[in-house]
Parts: sequence; C-alpha cells; structure tokens
Amino acid sequence: DAEITQSPRHKITETGRQVTLACHQTWNHNNMFWYRQDLGHGLRLIHYSYGVQDTNKGEVSDGYSVSRSNTEDLPLTLESAASSQTSVYFCASSESRGRKAGELFFGEGSRLTVL
Amino acid sequence: GQSLEQPSEVTAVEGAIVQINCTYQTSGFYGLSWYQQHDGGAPTFLSYNGLDGLEETGRFSSFLSRSDSYGYLLLQELQMKDSASYFCAVLLENTPLVFGKGTRLSVIA
Repeated sequence: DAEITQSPRHKITETGRQVTLACHQTWNHNNMFWYRQDLGHGLRLIHYSYGVQDTNKGEVSDGYSVSRSNTEDLPLTLESAASSQTSVYFCASSESRGRKAGELFFGEGSRLTVL
Repeated sequence: GQSLEQPSEVTAVEGAIVQINCTYQTSGFYGLSWYQQHDGGAPTFLSYNGLDGLEETGRFSSFLSRSDSYGYLLLQELQMKDSASYFCAVLLENTPLVFGKGTRLSVIA
C-alpha cells in the first residue's frame, strides 16, 4: 500500500543546532506540504512543493527550508533551531491541483523539542 | 487575508447528531474540506465540497453554501470513537489548504 512516512518521530535538540525532518511518500503525488501544529493555532503551512525542483513559502516559513530533488521526498530543515520551533510537524501530499488537492494524505507527525 | 471560524469545543451525547459549523472569509475560493484528528494522531481526510449542497459518506455528511461562505460537518449516530478534533480547511486558487483552528468534539455517554 502507498504511504507517507516521517522520521524521526520524536527528536530533542538544542537551540542553534541544524535539524532535518524527513518525509517520504510512495503515492507518486506531485504536491507535498509541511505543516506545523501548535495548541490554539491549528495547522499552519510552512513550505510546499508542486513538483521536482519547485518549492514555495507558506504562512510560517521563517527559519525553515525545503528542497525537492525527486518526487518522493521533501525534507524540512531548521537551519538554527529556536525554542519557538518546538512543535509537531506534519508532512502531507496530494494528487493534483484540482478537486483532489482538497484531499491531503498526512504522515504520522514528528514531534520536535528545542531546548 | 483569509479567515476561518469554527467553534473550539462541542459536546454531544452518544447516539445523537452533532453539527460543526465553519464560516470563512477568503478570496479565490475553490472548496471546503473536513479532517478528523484523534489525540496523538495525524489528520485524516473526511470530505470535500466544491459545489453547494450536501455530500454524504456513511454517518458523516458535509454541506457547503458558497453564497453564505458557510459549511458544516454533520455527524450522525455518534459513537465514543468520534471524540476527536475536526478541522475545516479551505482550498483557494493557487494556494494549498488553509486550516481552521479545529473543533474538539467530546462524545459523552
């Protein structure tokens, strides 16, 4: 079965360190997204990609970067982790920009703690 | 900018019907999606409305009125396992899904 996997599922790091969260999907979806979830804020978009070599900033992109070198992977990098980036991070993918763009498939999430 | 409003919490009795409303103010609106998320889990897709009217999927239905910028999720024959957070999300032109802050549904016996 197709799936979307994130790693690591849990990570504790220190302020100032670089952190990369991996996301791998086998749906063969062109669209991939990174959201963060914090209490009281719902899901907020960090970065997204509509295909290989395409990346775009979302609502809360400061301090984050992504790269898309193939269809399956969209790693999220925190260049210099800050305590404000303590959160649960969800990767998601979708089929296209049409109606199916409203149906996102989410990974299980990566809980990041920055001390 | 865009805004979505949904109640923060709803409580309902097992076996009953509950409606979770979502109002939005956006430009370039395409459609409205609904997601369910259990504590500690990932959001899972429930429904999408691109046109006005009711979409039914088992015990769950979703409604959209584009003219009123309003939609709702209807859950029938509530079960304890329906206790979860429910998010509405708008699909906009050239923009990924924008999520509301979620409604926490508690089903009580």
